[in-house]
Amino acid sequence: EAQVTQNPRYLITVTGKKLTVTCSQNMNHEYMSWYRQDPGLGLRQIYYSMNVEVTDKGDVPEGYKVSRKEKRNFPLILESPSPNQTSLYFCASSFEREGAAYVGEQFFGPGTRLTVL
Amino acid sequence: LAKTTQPISMDSYEGQEVNITCSHNNIATNDYITWYQQFPSQGPRFIIQGYKTKVTNEVASLFIPADRKSSTLSLPRVSLSDTAVYYCLVGDIVSGGYNKLIFGAGTRLAVHP
Repeated sequence: EAQVTQNPRYLITVTGKKLTVTCSQNMNHEYMSWYRQDPGLGLRQIYYSMNVEVTDKGDVPEGYKVSRKEKRNFPLILESPSPNQTSLYFCASSFEREGAAYVGEQFFGPGTRLTVL
Repeated sequence: LAKTTQPISMDSYEGQEVNITCSHNNIATNDYITWYQQFPSQGPRFIIQGYKTKVTNEVASLFIPADRKSSTLSLPRVSLSDTAVYYCLVGDIVSGGYNKLIFGAGTRLAVHP
């Protein structure tokens, strides 16, 4: 089944304790992205990656890191989590249409609900 | 950067047609317009995508005027299960030709019996 998986689905942690949220897709997509969703703010992009080894900042990258060593995986790293990073996180992947500066249909993972105490 | 503006909420009744308009005044030449649907505690789901004029699929239609500064998602004969948040998304271009995607705040559609 074509899908985007995230782990863990739920996480409660404390301020300053490094954590990683994994994201994996089995659709051979080039493009992957991380979003956070907060009440009243919709979806905001944290980081995106157009292909392996190429990543760039989205709208709210502060406090986050990512890596893209393999096409299928795009982990989100919080080196020193803080309470303002309590949020619902979504990973997404997509094909990029060749020659056009846009991203096609994005497939979203089920979400990771993170609470930082 | 191309940002979008949508109504915060809309109400409708079962069986009616719903039109949700998104404003994107700074849309770039190569940008496409995409709409997503999101239910509570789930990831967004792709509905439809277009560049200009009209696009139709099995669930919705997308109308884009010639100036492309806005777009309208049309949902025919909505049902209670269409109650969700709808996002308008415009593909953006940053230096190097890579894409930074910006979601709008979304429109919360409530369908009533």
